[in-house]
Amino acid sequence: DQQVKQNSPSLSVQEGRISILNCDYTNSMFDYFLWYKKYPAEGPTFLISISSIKDKNEDGRFTVFLNKSAKHLSLHIVPSQPGDSAVYFCAASAVLNFGNEKLTFGTGTRLTIIP
Amino acid sequence: DSGVTQTPKHLITATGQRVTLRCSPRSGDLSVYWYQQSLDQGLQFLIQYYNGEERAKGNILERFSAQQFPDLHSELNLSSLELGDSALYFCASSNLGAGQETQYFGPGTRLLVL
Repeated sequence: DQQVKQNSPSLSVQEGRISILNCDYTNSMFDYFLWYKKYPAEGPTFLISISSIKDKNEDGRFTVFLNKSAKHLSLHIVPSQPGDSAVYFCAASAVLNFGNEKLTFGTGTRLTIIP
Repeated sequence: DSGVTQTPKHLITATGQRVTLRCSPRSGDLSVYWYQQSLDQGLQFLIQYYNGEERAKGNILERFSAQQFPDLHSELNLSSLELGDSALYFCASSNLGAGQETQYFGPGTRLLVL
């Protein structure tokens, strides 16, 4: 049962334009969402997160939007740069009890920025 | 650099063997998590330790075990290895293992079972 879904395995965007990566979830207990970026042969690098009490969080070129009613979040990258080419993972966690903060990951979206 | 270190970076072994993967969390972090990423798959949670004690278990096989030592480093032991165990194994750490904390990942260990 895939509780976090990234339905687009890949996305190509022109340099300078906006990249929008999407993520859907099914578990209504999730209350914290994160985006990670991953280069080949490296570990996931934390990008940005959002708590379920917010609907938007911004950090520089990265903005995450959360729509709780639709169980949907998106990552916007503006403007897109060649160094943004990587695999992006959406992840979610639920505080079921103290310390049980495992992350449930989507399968990732490969973003390619075209110069 | 996330501050999480993992050794070794690569490991090649044969079926039936046993290996140990090591992880050192970021300074000050008490909670360690292990994840497995198989080919073309997302990361799957295996197990979490908090301050030396097991806190949560995910899809971890009985052939796999882990522990966290008093200095907070953790080891993941994989035994009776099978071809399907070939994967990337990531360790992550967070400060308290509490609600709404960011987990920071190490560079991973790539395991190849031949």
